[in-house]
Amino acid sequence: DAKTTQPPSMDCAEGRAANLPCNHSTISGNEYVYWYRQIHSQGPQYIIHGLKNNETNEMASLIITEDRKSSTLILPHATLRDTAVYYCGRYAGNNRKLIWGLGTSLAVNP
Amino acid sequence: NAGVTQTPKFQVLKTGQSMTLQCAQDMNHEYMSWYRQDPGMGLRLIHYSVGAGITDQGEVPNGYNVSRSTTEDFPLRLLSAAPSQTSVYFCASSPGLAGGQRRARETQYFGPGTRLLVL
Repeated sequence: DAKTTQPPSMDCAEGRAANLPCNHSTISGNEYVYWYRQIHSQGPQYIIHGLKNNETNEMASLIITEDRKSSTLILPHATLRDTAVYYCGRYAGNNRKLIWGLGTSLAVNP
Repeated sequence: NAGVTQTPKFQVLKTGQSMTLQCAQDMNHEYMSWYRQDPGMGLRLIHYSVGAGITDQGEVPNGYNVSRSTTEDFPLRLLSAAPSQTSVYFCASSPGLAGGQRRARETQYFGPGTRLLVL
């Protein structure tokens, strides 16, 4: 069974970098790694995605290992508003399905 | 733009009742999807659509029907509600092939969710 696994919870001090890992050891060559977050019970919000290369946008950075079996989402300067559940997922464009992990609950502490 | 809207926000049903969860988007997105979210189970794909008139099953399609007669709307129908369908339902849309760069066309935008309780 192809799984995407994440630690259930993490803590981070405000202003420090938050590094959220994701294991996707069975990812296929054409599957992208996607990251979303969900604040309270709102709809998930897109953060970033990548295939092989590292990616950066205004919200975060995504580091994907060379073998693509794992990735890390980096929030460079976490704030209290970054407290949320962060979901890692695999997405194959050919079947239009985003398969999610169970998420990491990130608590940013003052 | 209103983005992705869902109605109702909350619904209580009795076992065996039927209902339709509404989802609409005003971004002219090709792709739309329905997910359910349960504690400890994460988000699971129910059905999805890659364009008007085209739908397909996701991971957990049993007990649900969908149709896509227009680009904007993607309703989810519960034919005979069961307590196991108690969940939070999210609708999402993404630009699809019309979105240009891959980065844009596959990013999903989610609605606020519908909380369903089946007694």
